[in-house]
Amino acid sequence: GENVEQHPSTLSVQEGDSAVIKCTYSDSASNYFPWYKQELGKRPQLIIDIRSNVGEKKDQRIAVTLNKTAKHFSLHITETQPEDSAVYFCAATPSNTGKLIFGQGTTLQVKP
Amino acid sequence: NAGVMQNPRHLVRRRGQEARLRCSPMKGHSHVYWYRQLPEEGLKFMVYLQKENIIDESGMPKERFSAEFPKEGPSILRIQQVVRGDSAAYFCASSPAGTQYEQYFGPGTRLTVT
Repeated sequence: GENVEQHPSTLSVQEGDSAVIKCTYSDSASNYFPWYKQELGKRPQLIIDIRSNVGEKKDQRIAVTLNKTAKHFSLHITETQPEDSAVYFCAATPSNTGKLIFGQGTTLQVKP
Repeated sequence: NAGVMQNPRHLVRRRGQEARLRCSPMKGHSHVYWYRQLPEEGLKFMVYLQKENIIDESGMPKERFSAEFPKEGPSILRIQQVVRGDSAAYFCASSPAGTQYEQYFGPGTRLTVT
């Protein structure tokens, strides 16, 4: 079945720096790749997503890139702020299914 | 437009009791997914339902767990004869359609088995 690997597991940056989180997936037919932010004790919140017919998508300080050949996608956060501190999860949707297969999560700490 | 609703938010059950978790999708959404999050871990898919249909239950344990999404009312995740290992946060998500559509999560039900 589909497997999603996410790295790094923890990431610490200074306020204002950029943060990059990377994920790889195993099912080449996967076609939808969302990213979620989860604060402690809260629900996962969808922050950005990308579909397989697009290589890059940007929304203000966050961007996602997709390399279908390498089965690899990444989240980029620029000008990080302390409120960006949270756990970030990538996910992939295997072909012809609605379910999300999640990566293991990355704990991002932004130091003021 | 209310978001995904879940209740109860916290549920304590003794070993051997039944736990019943409820999820009301966002207005206009007919697809519901249940995920489980163990402490300090990621989210694991359990089951995908549409009204009166189970579409994919490949992530559900074979015993003690069941789910339904009736024509009227919320989706229900039922866990019979709970064990300590069932302690987790159970999240449901909804989407307006199936593949390639955004899933929005509810606040979760935190189940504690004593």
